[in-house]
Amino acid sequence: QLQLQESGPGLVKPSETLSLTCTVSGGSISSSSFYWGWIRQPPGKRLEWIGSIYYSGSTYYNPSLKSRVTLSVDTSKNQFSLNLTSVTAADTAVYYCARVPLELLSHYYMDVWGKGTTVTVSS
Amino acid sequence: QSVLTQPPSTSGTPGQRVTISCSGSSSNIGSKSVNWYQQFPATAPKLLIYRNNQRPSGVPDRFSGSKSGTSASLAISGLQSEDEADYYCASWDDSLKEVFGGGTRLTVL
Repeated sequence: QLQLQESGPGLVKPSETLSLTCTVSGGSISSSSFYWGWIRQPPGKRLEWIGSIYYSGSTYYNPSLKSRVTLSVDTSKNQFSLNLTSVTAADTAVYYCARVPLELLSHYYMDVWGKGTTVTVSS
Repeated sequence: QSVLTQPPSTSGTPGQRVTISCSGSSSNIGSKSVNWYQQFPATAPKLLIYRNNQRPSGVPDRFSGSKSGTSASLAISGLQSEDEADYYCASWDDSLKEVFGGGTRLTVL
C-alpha cells in the first residue's frame, strides 16, 4: 500500500527558506506512471496547488509561486522535496504531498495524499 | 483570478440526496476534467471523484459526479452521518495550475 509522509521543520522564520521532504513507501518514485506533487492549505482557506515533479526532474509550478519554489527528487532515497524561499506569514499552512497519475494535464488529479505537516512562519 | 466557486455550506438529513455545485470558467471546468475531494477535520483530503464522474476503488456508489459546460456537481445519495465533511472541487486551468473551489461544508442533521 502506497504511503507518503511529509517531514521538515514546523517553524520557519520570515525571509528564510521553508524546506520539506516527502518520503514515498510501498511504491517507487521512479515509476513512469506518476508525477509527485505538493499542495498547501492556509488556516481557514482553500487548498492551493504548489507544483509537481516527475522522477526525471520535469516540473510544473504554480505561476504565482514559481519565483520562490523549487521541487527536486531523490530517486535513491525515494523522496521528493519542496523549497520555498523568502517566506512570510502568508506561507503558514498545512503542506501536503501527493501522487499524481500521469495523464494529460486536462485530467490532472491527486489520488494518494500524505497526512500533511503544519508549517508556521513566525519570528 | 482562476478559482472555482462553491457554496460554503449545505445540509441534509440521513437518507436524503444532496448536491454540491462548483462553478468555473472556460479556462478550467469548461475544457478540463473536474475532480472532487473529501476532507474530514484535521485530516488530508481524499480523492472522491476524478475525470468528472469516475470513482476510485473503495468509494461508495452513493457518490457521483457530473459536469455541464462550466459547472460541475457532486451528488451524495442515501446521506449518512459519516458523510459529514468538507468537499472541494478542483480542475486544471489554462493558466497552468490546478485550481480548487473554496470548499463546501456538509452537515448531516
